[in-house]
Amino acid sequence: DVKVTQSSRYLVKRTGEKVFLECVQDMDHENMFWYRQDPGLGLRLIYFSYDVKMKEKGDIPEGYSVSREKKERFSLILESASTNQTSMYLCASSLNGGSGNTIYFGEGSWLTVV
Amino acid sequence: QKEVEQNSGPLSVPEGAIASLNCTYSDRGSQSFFWYRQYSGKSPELIMSIYSNGDKEDGRFTAQLNKASQYVSLLIRDSQPSDSATYLCAVNKNKLSFGAGTTVTVRA
Repeated sequence: DVKVTQSSRYLVKRTGEKVFLECVQDMDHENMFWYRQDPGLGLRLIYFSYDVKMKEKGDIPEGYSVSREKKERFSLILESASTNQTSMYLCASSLNGGSGNTIYFGEGSWLTVV
Repeated sequence: QKEVEQNSGPLSVPEGAIASLNCTYSDRGSQSFFWYRQYSGKSPELIMSIYSNGDKEDGRFTAQLNKASQYVSLLIRDSQPSDSATYLCAVNKNKLSFGAGTTVTVRA
């Protein structure tokens, strides 16, 4: 089975702190994604990556950056956390760029910024 | 116009009934379509994918796609309390876009 692991499940951070959300997948998938999910808004794509050291902006990249130094690891960085970034963050991966490839999600990271 | 729109719900159905979920999408060039189920506090899990017009059945689930109408639906037959969840429609062209989800409650 594909496993996407988000190491931090629940975090509480202060406004202005730098926050790292880590994600690791174990199936040698090329594609990795970061979404955030908010009530009534569904899942919104923040950033994605199709290869090591490659990144593309999604629909809501402002206030976020990402890092993909190794194929299996995709990190989301909040340079200076703000209260409007309180949300659930979902990491996902898929095999490659084919449109039919299934996306597998991690368990989610619940971030509260106070 | 949102890329993917779902009826907002919540949808309440009695046990054993059919639950019908609808989804429309704006990009006519979309190529693949997915339904995910998400239990409260959990991450989404894939339950159906469909790529061509018509119906696709998997157990109690049937996905229906009509590309001309830009419409995809999910039917859940013989609904069970364990089907109570939020159902997310996702549409893929160059990237996967999600609807806001429809919450389904199955009454015992």
